[in-house]
Amino acid sequence: EDKVVQSPLSLVVHEGDTVTLNCSYEVTNFRSLLWYKQEKKAPTFLFMLTSSGIEKKSGRLSSILDKKELFSILNITATQTGDSAIYLCAVERDTDKLIFGTGTRLQVFP
Amino acid sequence: ETGVTQSPTHLIKTRGQQVTLRCSSQSGHNTVSWYQQALGQGPQFIFQYYREEENGRGNFPPRFSGLQFPNYSSELNVNALELDDSALYLCASSLVRQGEAFFGQGTRLTVV
Repeated sequence: EDKVVQSPLSLVVHEGDTVTLNCSYEVTNFRSLLWYKQEKKAPTFLFMLTSSGIEKKSGRLSSILDKKELFSILNITATQTGDSAIYLCAVERDTDKLIFGTGTRLQVFP
Repeated sequence: ETGVTQSPTHLIKTRGQQVTLRCSSQSGHNTVSWYQQALGQGPQFIFQYYREEENGRGNFPPRFSGLQFPNYSSELNVNALELDDSALYLCASSLVRQGEAFFGQGTRLTVV
């Protein structure tokens, strides 16, 4: 059965800290891995990763995929209170279906 | 703003009733997927529509059904509502086989 597992489930840090969020997967016919940020309702797109070892960056956020070990990490440096959210990892199968993990809840305190 | 709009934003229904949720996809996108997100969980795939045909379905019973219209907007219908159907229902639009999906704000359904 396809599954996506995220860790940790919850994380509490102070502003300025660096965090690493993990996502491991077992999915047949893998096509891509996506990261989303969910603050209230709509998950907002962060990254899509298809190739191993190529880091994607956007400001203080970066992500990388390891297709051999079947995992991805999302790094956030110099965290701010606005980074507080649930971070969702999803794997896309060849059928265009996204399989989501349960998410990591990040809380950043001043 | 993703350009994906859902209506209504909130809804309260009684067990056994039927509900219809609506989604307008982002301009240029031809694929609409629906997800159910229970509290504390990640979104679960319900089904996807492409060119007005169902293009994949998750582990949801037949009382969950959908439609896609020629303008690519979509409806999710749920019959015989159960308490466990209470959740946030998310619509996502994309181009088929392009991966990156854009989500609407969701409809929060409460079944009492």
